[in-house]
Amino acid sequence: RKEVEQDPGPFNVPEGATVAFNCTYSNSASQSFFWYRQDCRKEPKLLMSVYSSGNEDGRFTAQLNRASQYISLLIRDSKLSDSATYLCVVNIDDMRFGAGTRLTVKP
Amino acid sequence: GAGVSQSPRYKVAKRGQDVALRCDPISGHVSLFWYQQALGQGPEFLTYFQNEAQLDKSGLPSDRFFAERPEGSVSTLKIQRTQQEDSAVYLCASSLGQGLANQPQHFGDGTRLSIL
Repeated sequence: RKEVEQDPGPFNVPEGATVAFNCTYSNSASQSFFWYRQDCRKEPKLLMSVYSSGNEDGRFTAQLNRASQYISLLIRDSKLSDSATYLCVVNIDDMRFGAGTRLTVKP
Repeated sequence: GAGVSQSPRYKVAKRGQDVALRCDPISGHVSLFWYQQALGQGPEFLTYFQNEAQLDKSGLPSDRFFAERPEGSVSTLKIQRTQQEDSAVYLCASSLGQGLANQPQHFGDGTRLSIL
């Protein structure tokens, strides 16, 4: 079983839709959590950190459930420019990346 | 430059050749990481430096892989006797502080390695 698991998608949604991604991790000792975004043939870029209390940055909301070892990312009012692969990242002794969830937002 | 710089951007080598990939982190960043990303997969951790010290090399897939950061800035990832399964994008990332907790990593564009 992989340490960080994500639904690979692809998610194809219309502009303006709300879309949610899920991620589960296996190591309960994980210390910190992030969502990164990766565009095709580009490097990953930090989207947001994920805090236990949940956090919001504009249209993006991240949630962490330590008991269920589950992280989520919610994107509201999706834009064409949101099309990318979203990587769930868990810090144990080192950074462990999920395989990514691919999102395509269509007009 | 302002970001993490990697070179070469693309590298093609014949099976059995040695290759060296360079990473120039953001100035002042203490921590440096190497990752391997296969097509359709997330980055896989290879190794981690804090300044010149290699604190974790547990992700290096074999003894053909070697990384160094002798002066605590530029790092080189060397792969000896390359195999076809080494074909991947090699990403370098750096972060400002020591350790990993809550430290965002800044990635370079990567080196796309193809072994023929």
